[in-house]
Amino acid sequence: EIVMTQSPATLSVSPGERATLSCRASQGVSNNLAWYQQKPGQAPRLLIYTASTRATGIPARFSGSRSGTEFTLTISSLQSQDFAVYYCQQYNNWPLWTFGQGTKVEIK
Amino acid sequence: EVQLVESGGGLVQPGKSLRLSCTASGFTFDDFAMHWVRQTPGKGLEWVSGSSWNSGSIGYADSVKGRFTISRDNAKNSLYLQMNSLRAEDTALYFCAKDMYSSSSGPIDHWGQGTLVTVSS
Repeated sequence: EIVMTQSPATLSVSPGERATLSCRASQGVSNNLAWYQQKPGQAPRLLIYTASTRATGIPARFSGSRSGTEFTLTISSLQSQDFAVYYCQQYNNWPLWTFGQGTKVEIK
Repeated sequence: EVQLVESGGGLVQPGKSLRLSCTASGFTFDDFAMHWVRQTPGKGLEWVSGSSWNSGSIGYADSVKGRFTISRDNAKNSLYLQMNSLRAEDTALYFCAKDMYSSSSGPIDHWGQGTLVTVSS
């Protein structure tokens, strides 16, 4: 099983600041990596796929990147609606897809 | 607009069975693979099972293999999850989810709101 490790567990950021979230895969997943946002009481929402492609309707302040087995989600200037939990997921190893444990982005 | 509506959750005793359903609308159901993903407070999100558009490629997480069966009825725009020999650790919110492609290659691009399954005596 490919283990996805997200860090930090909680990130405290002020509105307007930049947030950088990390996700490390225990083995190679190519670019088959997605990021999801989940707010309380809601289903997850796809933000980024193939490591760096924004999903339909996702603002440009969200960006993704990859370096080997390290993936990064960057929110360039946090808006109030961006405070949520973010998950990474690898979909390279069918049928054993795995998620990270999540990073909570909270207001500082 | 893509809509995925789950049903069938509830309270069930350990060892019993439950069948979840998901009704899809707003897209051509038989053009896309579909998945079940569950969420618990302690373990976060866990992919459970997925089916390609024509059920030709089906997969299961190790934690449910041999106990759960995914199926779909393209004529009814519906996805199912038959859950047998339920355990306390199967307690979770179960999401129905749509793949971006037909072949279960991922990623998931739309999610339902979930149906809660509680396994307890």
